[in-house]
Amino acid sequence: DTGVSQDPRHKITKRGQNVTFRCDPISEHNRLYWYRQTLGQGPEFLTYFQNEAQLEKSRLLSDRFSAERPKGSFSTLEIQRTEQGDSAMYLCASSLSMRRAAGANVLTFGAGSRLTVL
Amino acid sequence: AQSVTQLGSHVSVSEGALVLLRCNYSSSVPPYLFWYVQYPNQGLQLLLKYTTGATLVKGINGFEAEFKKSETSFHLTKPSAHMSDAAEYFCAVSDTGNQFYFGTGTSLTVIP
Repeated sequence: DTGVSQDPRHKITKRGQNVTFRCDPISEHNRLYWYRQTLGQGPEFLTYFQNEAQLEKSRLLSDRFSAERPKGSFSTLEIQRTEQGDSAMYLCASSLSMRRAAGANVLTFGAGSRLTVL
Repeated sequence: AQSVTQLGSHVSVSEGALVLLRCNYSSSVPPYLFWYVQYPNQGLQLLLKYTTGATLVKGINGFEAEFKKSETSFHLTKPSAHMSDAAEYFCAVSDTGNQFYFGTGTSLTVIP
């Protein structure tokens, strides 16, 4: 297993365009998380999935943002009508959800997808 | 509600000196606690975690942290700083392993 993969690593777009990021989690992990990180800040939670079900969404996630995990494997995060304020690093993480088990409930992060909106 | 406070957004130490990065948390139940490190333009890498059991936790690269319930703290230490330790460090808390909340980070500078 090569860990959590994110694509693309960098995306530059013009304001108003749509962008999509992809995340491939660790294969045996049942949970997948999306976070947003701006310069000098910690990761801010956006949403997470358990298998294909989206269990929680942050109030930060406006209706321009949508995430899917159609078969419980990879996930996509789409941002429609991008704004300059969307410029950030979008981090994906996965974990194995298991009650207090060793090795479980720990986030493994991908390298992130950096979005720049001009 | 859970939250994490990292005291000191920037910490500078001399090479070979003690590293101490502070983290205080709030949680209504026994928490999971984590420290992650982030190098420029990279994702976060797990340094160490506390889930249950021994309160002194050892991690990678010589780092360790102690869970102190009475102080609601989980400070990160390393006896002797190395130049390669220069990075951003994040403390995180989770109550059930569902949601994870991160602090705002501490940038560590190591002075040669």
